[in-house]
Amino acid sequence: SQQGEEDPQALSIQEGENATMNCSYKTSINNLQWYRQNSGRGLVHLILIRSNEREKHSGRLRVTLDTSKKSSSLLITASRAADTASYFCATSSRGTYKYIFGTGTRLKVLA
Amino acid sequence: DVKVTQSSRYLVKRTGEKVFLECVQDMDHENMFWYRQDPGLGLRLIYFSYDVKMKEKGDIPEGYSVSREKKERFSLILESASTNQTSMYLCASSRPGQGVTQYFGPGTRLTVL
Repeated sequence: SQQGEEDPQALSIQEGENATMNCSYKTSINNLQWYRQNSGRGLVHLILIRSNEREKHSGRLRVTLDTSKKSSSLLITASRAADTASYFCATSSRGTYKYIFGTGTRLKVLA
Repeated sequence: DVKVTQSSRYLVKRTGEKVFLECVQDMDHENMFWYRQDPGLGLRLIYFSYDVKMKEKGDIPEGYSVSREKKERFSLILESASTNQTSMYLCASSRPGQGVTQYFGPGTRLTVL
């Protein structure tokens, strides 16, 4: 089963609105990352949050982490058409090199 | 600017053929990864290499092998391609350690007929 499960699977919003995506995971983690994938391309790293952090910002991105609920959320503020992509969370646990990716949220921003 | 390149964007092969997917990174990264991506399943790790000639199996290594003869190059080999290996294949590299960014190539969409 997937360690990371994103919710919703698909999201469609108007340009200028905020987009929120959630990620849930099952085991204890060392850190959690969010990646973006434009259609048919490779993934691009967006932001990393460590297990001892609760919130992190990068430009229009805000990530929160709640280790008690084993969940994270990614907020994109003032969305743009160029934000249209799939977004994945990836978790890493202590003592392992592996990142476990979720199934992704497909975001569509309408101009 | 960091760069991971993959030898082909699209590839069509026949069942039973031997297939080589090449990945090259120019960042002097120790770690390299091969994933496959399928709808509804996300990314699944096939193989991982943490040094030249070193490799470890990921979650779905069956039907695949890898080669890492040089630090910058990591090859994925399908010894005898099958239709269920039709997928998007993504290569990534990173520095060693935890909490590090993985840098991805553009992907190879492989179709096995």
